[in-house]
Amino acid sequence: GDSVTQTEGLVTLTKGLPVMLNCTYQTTYSPFLFWYVQHLNEAPKLLLKSSTDNKRTEHQGFYATLHKSSSSFHLQKSSVQLSDSALYFCALGTGGYKVVFGSGTRLLVSP
Amino acid sequence: NSKVIQTPRYLVKGQGQKAKMRCIPEKGHPVVFWYQQNKNNEFKFLINFQNQEVLQQIDMTEKRFSAECPSNSPCSLEIQSSEAGDSALYLCASSLVGGNYAEQFFGPGTRLTVL
Repeated sequence: GDSVTQTEGLVTLTKGLPVMLNCTYQTTYSPFLFWYVQHLNEAPKLLLKSSTDNKRTEHQGFYATLHKSSSSFHLQKSSVQLSDSALYFCALGTGGYKVVFGSGTRLLVSP
Repeated sequence: NSKVIQTPRYLVKGQGQKAKMRCIPEKGHPVVFWYQQNKNNEFKFLINFQNQEVLQQIDMTEKRFSAECPSNSPCSLEIQSSEAGDSALYLCASSLVGGNYAEQFFGPGTRLTVL
C-alpha cells in the first residue's frame, strides 16, 4: 500500500542554520505530495504541495522539490527562525480520497 | 486562516461512555475528513464524506465509531463506547474537492481523554 516515511523524529537547530527534513514515499500511482506544519496547540496548515517532477515549490522561505526518480520530497529552508519550531508532516495523495501522512518531524529551533 | 470549527475543544469521558464531537467545515467545502492524532503525533485516517455520503472509512470506524455529515448541520463523530486507547486529538479537515490531491483545511481538534 501507499506509505510515507519521515526518518527524523526530532531535529534541533540553532536559529540561522539551514535545515532539511526528509520525506520519501511509496506508491504505484501518480503522487501528490504535501508538507503540513502544526504549531503547538494549533491546527495543521498546508505549507507546500507538488505533483510536478523536478520542479521546486516555495512558500514562506521553505522549499521542496518532488523527485519521482528517488520518491522524495524533502523540505528545506536556508535559515531557520525561532518561529519555525513546530511539527512538520509530509503527506501523500494518489488521486483517490485518502491522504497518507508520515509520522512527523518535530523541529526545535534554539536562540 | 482555516475556518473549520470543532467543538468541544476538550472532552473527558469514562470508559464505556459515549463521546461525541462536532465539526463545521469551511464554507463551501463538500468534503470532510476525520483523523485521530495520537500522543506520538501520528495521524490515523478514520472516515471521510462528500456531502452526506461516506467515501472511505477504516474498519475501526465501522465498528465502534459512528459519523455523519447531515445537510445544514454540523458533521459529527461519535465513539459508542470509549476505551482508554481512544484518548487522542481528533482532527476534522475539509477540502473543496474530493480528490486527495487537494489541500485540506484543518480545525483545531477535539482532545479526548478517556479515564
